[in-house]
Amino acid sequence: NAGVTQTPKFQVLKTGQSMTLQCAQDMNHNSMYWYRQDPGMGLRLIYYSASEGTTDKGEVPNGYNVSRLNKREFSLRLESAAPSQTSVYFCASSPLPRTGSYSNYGYTFGSGTRLTVV
Amino acid sequence: KNEVEQSPQNLTAQEGEFITINCSYSVGISALHWLQQHPGGGIVSLFMLSSGKKKHGRLIATINIQEKHSSLHITASHPRDSAVYICAVSRESNFGNEKLTFGTGTRLTIIP
Repeated sequence: NAGVTQTPKFQVLKTGQSMTLQCAQDMNHNSMYWYRQDPGMGLRLIYYSASEGTTDKGEVPNGYNVSRLNKREFSLRLESAAPSQTSVYFCASSPLPRTGSYSNYGYTFGSGTRLTVV
Repeated sequence: KNEVEQSPQNLTAQEGEFITINCSYSVGISALHWLQQHPGGGIVSLFMLSSGKKKHGRLIATINIQEKHSSLHITASHPRDSAVYICAVSRESNFGNEKLTFGTGTRLTIIP
């Protein structure tokens, strides 16, 4: 099925461990995003990529790195996990700029990764 | 004050009732999005609108740009509509990209 695929769905890390969250989309979208969702707060942008080969920081980039490997894939890496990074992480994509058949197309989100750092 | 405010935060209703969830925002926007998140689930985009009204099945979304306000309506509500509904606004940012700002969501529970 077309969409955004995130792996893994669940992960428990010990403080100081590293891991990479994978995200892939098959909709030929230019833009991809990583968000985190914490209780009582709206989703917050960690990093985004407007196109293959470019990445930019969002609101809460500290402690994270990203790689836009190709147009399909956008990974998020935690180099040294901390308990404050316990959260649900969502990858999303969007066909920006919205032209032609994409003019009414919003965002497509993955199913999320629930990460616990102990 | 948050740039995107939703009300109510929680809403419980009986099956069949007409549901309204409100979203107010305080910034200039290029579009407003309504999203749905089931418990433990992913996020699904319901609507993207920049003016007027859109309808999909039993869901209707309206926006008043002058008043900076949007509503999401659900007609003939059903227990499967139980979810968190999230309002988000998009604004243009650098290099033709756009920034999404999210509300904190409205938790809807429909009782059979």
